[in-house]
Amino acid sequence: GAGVSQSPRYKVAKRGQDVALRCDPISGHVSLFWYQQALGQGPEFLTYFQNEAQLDKSGLPSDRFFAERPEGSVSTLKIQRTQQEDSAVYLCASSLGLISVQPQHFGDGTRLSIL
Amino acid sequence: GQQLNQSPQSMFIQEGEDVSMNCTSSSIFNTWLWYKQDPGEGPVLLIALYKAGELTSNGRLTAQFGITRKDSFLNISASIPSDVGIYFCAGRPISGGSNYKLTFGKGTLLTVNP
Repeated sequence: GAGVSQSPRYKVAKRGQDVALRCDPISGHVSLFWYQQALGQGPEFLTYFQNEAQLDKSGLPSDRFFAERPEGSVSTLKIQRTQQEDSAVYLCASSLGLISVQPQHFGDGTRLSIL
Repeated sequence: GQQLNQSPQSMFIQEGEDVSMNCTSSSIFNTWLWYKQDPGEGPVLLIALYKAGELTSNGRLTAQFGITRKDSFLNISASIPSDVGIYFCAGRPISGGSNYKLTFGKGTLLTVNP
């Protein structure tokens, strides 16, 4: 497709379950970002990939959060042993190249609800 | 960490009115971006600014990169009902080695009364 695609759009899980969120960036985009957006807030940075390399994971809230992009295209954000505070919209964004000034294009997000 | 103060938090206006919102940061940014987010969707880029003092338009939208590099504003002229949504400013810090990382404001909720 033409844009960033995320799946599932909605995910409901019980506390303690593991979840996996998928991001398919715009074709050819080198850089990929994950953000977490709490209700009523702006997105907050989680992690950054340049091709398959995870260059920055400083925003991941805890070691229960893990992201990968093994072939430099599709990325998965995994959350283990989910907690209620993990409930949020998880946004993926991609940008064309390595130059930091290039704008990031966002997917529609996965809305995660932890019961 | 970086802080962005975006104001106002919300606006309720009549169709046809002009709108202005702004964002200030506690540190110097080298990029300012303005996004619009509709319910259930991701942020969509409206305008990107890369130089201090830069004034850029996109249709009825105009945004400026402040001279101090610590602020930016967005104006919407002659608002229409489809302008409804949440507007976010976002910026990249000039230092720290992580200037790929966007910091977002908390958003301005715009409601337009037809």
